[in-house]
Amino acid sequence: NAGVTQTPKFQVLKTGQSMTLQCAQDMNHEYMSWYRQDPGMGLRLIHYSVGAGITDQGEVPNGYNVSRSTTEDFPLRLLSAAPSQTSVYFCASSYRDPNVVDSPLHFGNGTRLTVT
Amino acid sequence: AQSVTQLGSHVSVSEGALVLLRCNYSSSVPPYLFWYVQYPNQGLQLLLKYTTGATLVKGINGFEAEFKKSEASFHLTKPSAHMSDAAEYFCAVRILTTDSWGKLQFGAGTQVVVTP
Repeated sequence: NAGVTQTPKFQVLKTGQSMTLQCAQDMNHEYMSWYRQDPGMGLRLIHYSVGAGITDQGEVPNGYNVSRSTTEDFPLRLLSAAPSQTSVYFCASSYRDPNVVDSPLHFGNGTRLTVT
Repeated sequence: AQSVTQLGSHVSVSEGALVLLRCNYSSSVPPYLFWYVQYPNQGLQLLLKYTTGATLVKGINGFEAEFKKSEASFHLTKPSAHMSDAAEYFCAVRILTTDSWGKLQFGAGTQVVVTP
C-alpha cells in the first residue's frame, strides 16, 4: 500500500518557469488537497478537491492551478514560478464519507521547491 | 473565524521528562481537533484526534491530549520524552462546512528537541 506519492522530491526552478507537481493516492480517497509549508506559518491550504471533476480554492491559491480528472491523481501546476513560491509542498488525501468526517488526512512526503 | 495558536515555536526537553505542547483554538462551533507529527524530511502523521465523547484522548507513541472547552485548549502531553520524539508537532482544527466538508487549519508548529 503506497499511500500518497509525490514527485519529484526536489526541484529548482528559475523565475518564470512552469512545472507540475504530481500527487497520486491508492486509497480510493475522494478528498485530495495541496498545502504549502513555510517556517513559522504552519501549513496553508492551496487547493482542494472533493472528487473527480471538482476543485476549489483554499487559503493561498494565487499562482497555482489544479485539476482532478481521476480519483487517484491531483497535480498542482505552477504556471510562472516566483521566488515567493519557494516552499515545501504537501499533498494530502482522506475519505469523503460524511459519516467519517473526522477521517484524518494522509500526507505524502513532500516536494521541496526552490525558485531562483 | 477559526484559528489555531500553538504556544512556543521551539521546546527543549530532557530525555525522560514531561513533554507539554500547548494548543488553543478559537471556534464558534464545536471543533474537531487533531495533533499531527512531522519527522525530518517526511509528511505529517496523525498522532491523535478529538471529535466527540471522551475529552481525554490517547494517541500513538504514548501521547495524549485533553480537550477543555472552557479553556478552548487541546494540549498535547507525554509523561516521559524519548529521543525518537524529536520532531515538529502541529495542532489542527477541522471546521465543518455546510456541505459536510471541513477545512483543516493548522497551527504554526512546535519543534521539539530532546536532549540526553
